[in-house]
Amino acid sequence: QVQLVQSGAEVKKPGASVKVSCKASGYTFTSYGISWVRQAPGQGLEWMGWISAYNGNTNYAQKLQGRVTMTTDTSTSTAYMELRSLRSDDTAVYYCARDTTMKYWGQGTLVTVSS
Amino acid sequence: DIQMTQSPSSLSASVGDRVTITCQASQDISNYLNWYQQKPGKAPKLLIYDASNLETGVPSRFSGSGSGTDFTFTISSLQPEDIATYYCQQYDNLLRGTFGPGTKVDIK
Repeated sequence: QVQLVQSGAEVKKPGASVKVSCKASGYTFTSYGISWVRQAPGQGLEWMGWISAYNGNTNYAQKLQGRVTMTTDTSTSTAYMELRSLRSDDTAVYYCARDTTMKYWGQGTLVTVSS
Repeated sequence: DIQMTQSPSSLSASVGDRVTITCQASQDISNYLNWYQQKPGKAPKLLIYDASNLETGVPSRFSGSGSGTDFTFTISSLQPEDIATYYCQQYDNLLRGTFGPGTKVDIK
């Protein structure tokens, strides 16, 4: 069965960086891209970007351009999302999901940005 | 980026009622429109893909329609377990996605 397992919760100070991992299993990793979505407390879903697990091509949300980097490691079927220059409004649950039509989701990773 | 609007932002209906949510894209997105259900503390669940296709295992009381810029999501007979927030999501030909702001559905 398809599973996406994310890394654990993180607490970061403003200005720091965070890197969240998403380990895929149950399918051929390079056959699908990975989307990243975040949800601030009490707020809606925000699409952050997408990466092709086949060739590493990326598309990022305009508002995050320059602060976010998405990568994959095909040897371990793992996707990564790094967000830099963290601010308090980056506090959110971060999800990975398979492809652009997101049938499979990770369990979410809470990232708290606080001084 | 393509913007998505969704209405209403919340609604309250009785069990058995027909519930309709609309989603509008700022430009033509063909049928690249998905609908998700999210319950508190849970990851979203895909219900409808490509505007009108019911995901496997999703009850048939859920349906979607539309193309271009205007889309509709319907629950034909609201059930207590349908209490959730519903989001539309588009993806364009460059595989960039946007979610609508969500519609919170409650039981009256």
